[in-house]
Amino acid sequence: NAGVMQNPRHLVRRRGQEARLRCSPMKGHSHVYWYRQLPEEGLKFMVYLQKENIIDESGMPKERFSAEFPKEGPSILRIQQVVRGDSAAYFCASSQKPTQGSSYNSPLHFGNGTRLTVT
Amino acid sequence: GQQLNQSPQSMFIQEGEDVSMNCTSSSIFNTWLWYKQDPGEGPVLLIALYKAGELTSNGRLTAQFGITRKDSFLNISASIPSDVGIYFCAGPFGINDMRFGAGTRLTVKP
Repeated sequence: NAGVMQNPRHLVRRRGQEARLRCSPMKGHSHVYWYRQLPEEGLKFMVYLQKENIIDESGMPKERFSAEFPKEGPSILRIQQVVRGDSAAYFCASSQKPTQGSSYNSPLHFGNGTRLTVT
Repeated sequence: GQQLNQSPQSMFIQEGEDVSMNCTSSSIFNTWLWYKQDPGEGPVLLIALYKAGELTSNGRLTAQFGITRKDSFLNISASIPSDVGIYFCAGPFGINDMRFGAGTRLTVKP
């Protein structure tokens, strides 16, 4: 299966610990997006990355959250000093091209998410 | 800011019934996407629409891109139990942001 791979599927952290979420995009995809989903809600955009570059992090909290997509290896979403409000499902998606609707037709393909629980 | 309003929020139907849900936007979209999310899984793309007025089918699913470019609907014919899940509409906002509606939660009773 060459789909988007996320790990771990479930992650439990105590308040104040760090959470690291990994995402390997689909083969041939160089654009990665991270979304957050709270229970009973839709997905909220967090950050868009290409290899070695953060393109748009307008949806990401300014503190404690960071993301990277290195030249080699998966994309990482890192949450430092987690709090209970960080508990959510975090989804990664990838596309072949940017998701601009006006010129490109490259829908997002999602992984199965990492469910973070902060105790 | 740009909003995607999906309705209804939830639906409870009998197996075999047809389903219709829709999505409206406060602004014009050039693309409408419909995704389905099964419990514990990530969203899966069902149908992509790229042209106003476009009507596209995928098996028992049919979706249309509204003429005004501010709305879209998704129909499911002859529902079956495995249609259960959350259906999301989505569209591009700005340069890099794909916005999602809050979802329509579908329950199908056998």
